[in-house]
Amino acid sequence: DTEVTQTPKHLVMGMTNKKSLKCEQHMGHRAMYWYKQKAKKPPELMFVYSYEKLSINESVPSRFSPECPNSSLLNLHLHALQPEDSALYLCASSRGIGRLQETQYFGPGTRLLVL
Amino acid sequence: SQQGEEDPQALSIQEGENATMNCSYKTSINNLQWYRQNSGRGLVHLILIRSNEREKHSGRLRVTLDTSKKSSSLLITASRAADTASYFCATDLPSEGAQKLVFGQGTRLTINP
Repeated sequence: DTEVTQTPKHLVMGMTNKKSLKCEQHMGHRAMYWYKQKAKKPPELMFVYSYEKLSINESVPSRFSPECPNSSLLNLHLHALQPEDSALYLCASSRGIGRLQETQYFGPGTRLLVL
Repeated sequence: SQQGEEDPQALSIQEGENATMNCSYKTSINNLQWYRQNSGRGLVHLILIRSNEREKHSGRLRVTLDTSKKSSSLLITASRAADTASYFCATDLPSEGAQKLVFGQGTRLTINP
């Protein structure tokens, strides 16, 4: 299984809602990532978990809260988002054991619209 | 912070022609990777070239890396309609612990039948 799955595929939420994005992989990867991608722009790194510990937080606003319950799952909890947070949210994973040949496997993304 | 610049921003060619995309970066790297993204979908890893390598091939793909100029190029030979996508270079920055990839702005490639 070389797949990263993300749910839901699409999400529409109001600014007062609380929602969660979910990401799952069964490749035994020990590093997992959240990216945000606006239209016609490159992905921007938000968070990195390494061995289930938060390793990198790219100064993301606290209305985004990541969680890694176990080595296969990664969640992104959303609360009080702004319309400018509308974007494609991508999850990725990598083996997490060697930097020279480390490549990332991406999920299909969740397209989020904040009204 | 923006690490990678790509050119051209958009490229439209006829099927069967070769496509070349360029990437420049600013700081030292562990490796440089190229990814493809079909419209609105996830990214797919194409090829990785380490900082001590100069050229790498994979099928119809050829990647070069010039660390003295801090630049890389991706060549797709004998293009096909299915190659239509956005292509991003990504630099793996030296850091402790987890990998940190910084993506370039991307090149939107259109292959006309």
